[in-house]
Amino acid sequence: DTEVTQTPKHLVMGMTNKKSLKCEQHMGHRAMYWYKQKAKKPPELMFVYSYEKLSINESVPSRFSPECPNSSLLNLHLHALQPEDSALYLCASSQASSSGAKETQYFGPGTRLLVL
Amino acid sequence: GESVGLHLPTLSVQEGDNSIINCAYSNSASDYFIWYKQESGKGPQFIIDIRSNMDKRQGQRVTVLLNKTVKHLSLQIAATQPGDSAVYFCAEMISGGSNYKLTFGKGTLLTVNP
Repeated sequence: DTEVTQTPKHLVMGMTNKKSLKCEQHMGHRAMYWYKQKAKKPPELMFVYSYEKLSINESVPSRFSPECPNSSLLNLHLHALQPEDSALYLCASSQASSSGAKETQYFGPGTRLLVL
Repeated sequence: GESVGLHLPTLSVQEGDNSIINCAYSNSASDYFIWYKQESGKGPQFIIDIRSNMDKRQGQRVTVLLNKTVKHLSLQIAATQPGDSAVYFCAEMISGGSNYKLTFGKGTLLTVNP
């Protein structure tokens, strides 16, 4: 099973709202990722968690707050977003690369976010 | 700067033809590459990967070729079908501390005409 699930599929929020995106995998992967994808563009890395610890933050604004409550779950908390934050938010997971080996990342279907 | 890019942004083929999607990379230290397929409204789907100790790898109807000398990657799809219509991304694994960051190329839109 190589399934990564994300909820909700679609989200519309105002600039003063607080919302959360959720991601779940049951493949035993210990690395999880958040990507942002604008229309007709490739996915861009936002955050990497390895063994439930934040290991990479690609200079993402603080209005995006990731959380990894356990090895299967990854959340992205949203607060005071801007219209330009509207995008497809993708979650991915992989085996952790502590051994130095590069591992395939498997993606979820994404949450399409619209900020009004 | 270092980047992963594609020669052709769009590719249109007839059903049953073979398709070739190209990708150039510039980071000579990259040693792991992945091809993803992304259909409209969906997340990227893993197709095939290749490590730098290989020149060629085959999957079901797909072949990836790696030419490290000219830093070029290609994805060949045999007997292309309408269901193959999607955007195809090559991605390069770059070391980022204790984890490895995946950097995507621009993508190629493949359209299969019946």
